[in-house]
Amino acid sequence: EVQLLESGGGLVQPGGSLRLSCAASGFTFDSHDMSWVRQAPGKGLEWVSVISVSGATTYYADSVKGRFTISRDNSRNTLYLQMSSLRAEDTAVYYCAQGLDGWPFDYWGQGTLVTVSS
Amino acid sequence: DIQMTQSPSSLSASVGDRVTVTCRASQGIRDDLGWYQQKPGKAPKRLIYGASILQSGVPSRFSGSGSGTEFTLTISSLQPEDFATYYCLQHNTYPYTFGQGTKLEIK
Repeated sequence: EVQLLESGGGLVQPGGSLRLSCAASGFTFDSHDMSWVRQAPGKGLEWVSVISVSGATTYYADSVKGRFTISRDNSRNTLYLQMSSLRAEDTAVYYCAQGLDGWPFDYWGQGTLVTVSS
Repeated sequence: DIQMTQSPSSLSASVGDRVTVTCRASQGIRDDLGWYQQKPGKAPKRLIYGASILQSGVPSRFSGSGSGTEFTLTISSLQPEDFATYYCLQHNTYPYTFGQGTKLEIK
C-alpha cells in the first residue's frame, strides 16, 4: 500500500525557517519525481515544487522561489521541503504528492499544517 | 506561466442533475490536464487524468473532455457524495497550475 506521511509542520514566526518531511512507503521511491502542493486555509490548491528522481532537477512556484528548497534522500525514502524567510501567506496545509503512473497526482499524504504568525 | 481559468467558482445543484465544470488554459496544453475532487479536511482525490481518462475506481458518471485550451468535467447524475470542491490541474509546463476551484453545493 502506498503511503505518504508528512511531518514537521507547526507554528513559526515571520522570517523563520521550518523543514517538512514526507516519508514514503509502498512503492519504489527512487523511481518517481515527487512534489509538494499547499493549500492556505479556505483557499484553493497551489503547486509548490517538484524534484526529479536523482534530485538533480527542481522547479518551484514563483511565490516560493529563492526561499524554499526541495530535496530528497532516496536511501531513506524521504522527501523534504526546507522553508526559509517564511511569510504569513505561507500559512497552509502542505501535502506531498506523486503519480505512480506518470500522471500527477494519484497519491497524496494527509498534509501537515504550517502556521506563520507572531 | 500558464493560467487556468475555472468556472463557475460555485454551483448549486440537486441530486440527479447533470453538471459541467470548465477549465480554460491561457495557452495550449495538449491533454496534460487532470481533475481532482476535494472534500473538507481531506487530501484531493484524482478523478480524471490525460483530460479524459477515468481514474480506476471512480464512478463512470464522471467524465472529462477537451484538448488544447478548453476542458470540461461532467458529472452525469449527481449523487450525494459528489458535493465537494473540484479543481483542474495543468501539468504541461512548470510551474504546474491549478484552477481556482468549483464548490459544488446542494440546492
